[in-house]
Amino acid sequence: DAGVIQSPRHEVTEMGQEVTLRCKPISGHNSLFWYRQTMMRGLELLIYFNNNVPIDDSGMPEDRFSAKMPNASFSTLKIQPSEPRDSAVYFCASRRDVGGNQPQHFGDGTRLSIL
Amino acid sequence: AQSVSQHNHHVILSEAASLELGCNYSYGGTVNLFWYVQYPGQHLQLLLKYFSGDPLVKGIKGFEAEFIKSKFSFNLRKPSVQWSDTAEYFCAVNAGATNKLIFGTGTLLAVQP
Repeated sequence: DAGVIQSPRHEVTEMGQEVTLRCKPISGHNSLFWYRQTMMRGLELLIYFNNNVPIDDSGMPEDRFSAKMPNASFSTLKIQPSEPRDSAVYFCASRRDVGGNQPQHFGDGTRLSIL
Repeated sequence: AQSVSQHNHHVILSEAASLELGCNYSYGGTVNLFWYVQYPGQHLQLLLKYFSGDPLVKGIKGFEAEFIKSKFSFNLRKPSVQWSDTAEYFCAVNAGATNKLIFGTGTLLAVQP
């Protein structure tokens, strides 16, 4: 089984540039989650989608961050313009919501460094 | 608001020592509980989960956790750790009707050979 696929694995860019992170959830999973992990703040939920619809974006830090899920097999997290404090590992996770709660499956993450 | 507390931020053990990592949550209703492990440089992987039934849950790699409802706790245990258990461990709660997982701040476990 292919797991959650994220790209790129690493990104280094200068502040002010637009950054786009990509996620392909596990086929058949209908919930998708974006997390940010830093040493200072731990693992934070940014936004999650259910059936391609954003349900809760209360964790999105500010307007520079946006996320989309145009179809069931693809989601993007965009930062524009990027700032050094956005440096973190960004994880995408997906889950199949059928008849009760199921665990989330995580991708390998994108390690983002903003210079 | 729901929250998860992991009281041990860093734990250092020698191989073959027993492990117990604390996890407490705040929510009065039905909860689903998880422990995830993150090995260095890798993504989070599910260790075990509790939804209902037997409060003693067995997971992968010899880990187990006990749900004690009266104490709002879900502590992780392993009778004998190995060097390969060196990782960060996260407790998480999914409470009520929400789809959200609330994670604890994590516990860094270092096992010395």
